[in-house]
Amino acid sequence: DQQVKQNSPSLSVQEGRISILNCDYTNSMFDYFLWYKKYPAEGPTFLISISSIKDKNEDGRFTVFLNKSAKHLSLHIVPSQPGDSAVYFCAASAGGAQKLVFGQGTRLTINP
Amino acid sequence: NAGVTQTPKFQVLKTGQSMTLQCAQDMNHEYMSWYRQDPGMGLRLIHYSVGAGITDQGEVPNGYNVSRSTTEDFPLRLLSAAPSQTSVYFCASSYRNTEAFFGQGTRLTVV
Repeated sequence: DQQVKQNSPSLSVQEGRISILNCDYTNSMFDYFLWYKKYPAEGPTFLISISSIKDKNEDGRFTVFLNKSAKHLSLHIVPSQPGDSAVYFCAASAGGAQKLVFGQGTRLTINP
Repeated sequence: NAGVTQTPKFQVLKTGQSMTLQCAQDMNHEYMSWYRQDPGMGLRLIHYSVGAGITDQGEVPNGYNVSRSTTEDFPLRLLSAAPSQTSVYFCASSYRNTEAFFGQGTRLTVV
C-alpha cells in the first residue's frame, strides 16, 4: 500500500526547457509536502515544500503546485539546467517532518 | 556547519553480527529519524524520536533498536544482522513543521 507514488521512474528534458515532476498521494491526513533532490552517494537535499493550506509555492526556478481534490502535487523547474540532473523524491507528512513518507523517486536528466 | 553527521560511511557485516550506526546533529533539532533506502524504492521510515527519551516505530522497525538519551544523538542498533538489512541508511533531523535535514548515509552490506 504505497501512500505516495511517483509514477515516472525517469524524465529527460532539454536544457532551458521546463521540467515537470509529478506525485500522487492517497492519505487525506497529509498536511505537509516536500521535494528532495538526491545525487549519488549523498543524502537527500531539501528543495521546496508546501503546506496543505496553500496551492502554490515558489522559490526561484522551482515551483510546487498542490491539488488537494486530486491528491496530486507537481514540481516545476524552469529553466532546467544541467546541474538539475538528479533523482527527485516527493515526500509527505501528517503532523511533522519526523515521519516522512516518500515516493519511489524520478530520475531527471537534463540534456544539453 | 556540520549539520547531520553519520558514521561509518560504509560497513560490511557478517550475518548474526551486531553493530550501531551513529547519527549526530548540531542544529538543536527536537526531531530525529532513521530511514533506509533500497534499490528502486523511496526512503522508508525505521524509527523516529520527538525528543530525548521519546522514540517510536516507523514503517519498517523489525530488527532495529533506537534510543535517544541526548538531543544531539540518535544511534540505530542492529542486534543480529540479516542479509535483508543490506541497504543505505539515512538519518534526518528537523523541527516540527519544517524540512528534515539528512546525513550523507551509511551503506551497509550484510553477507
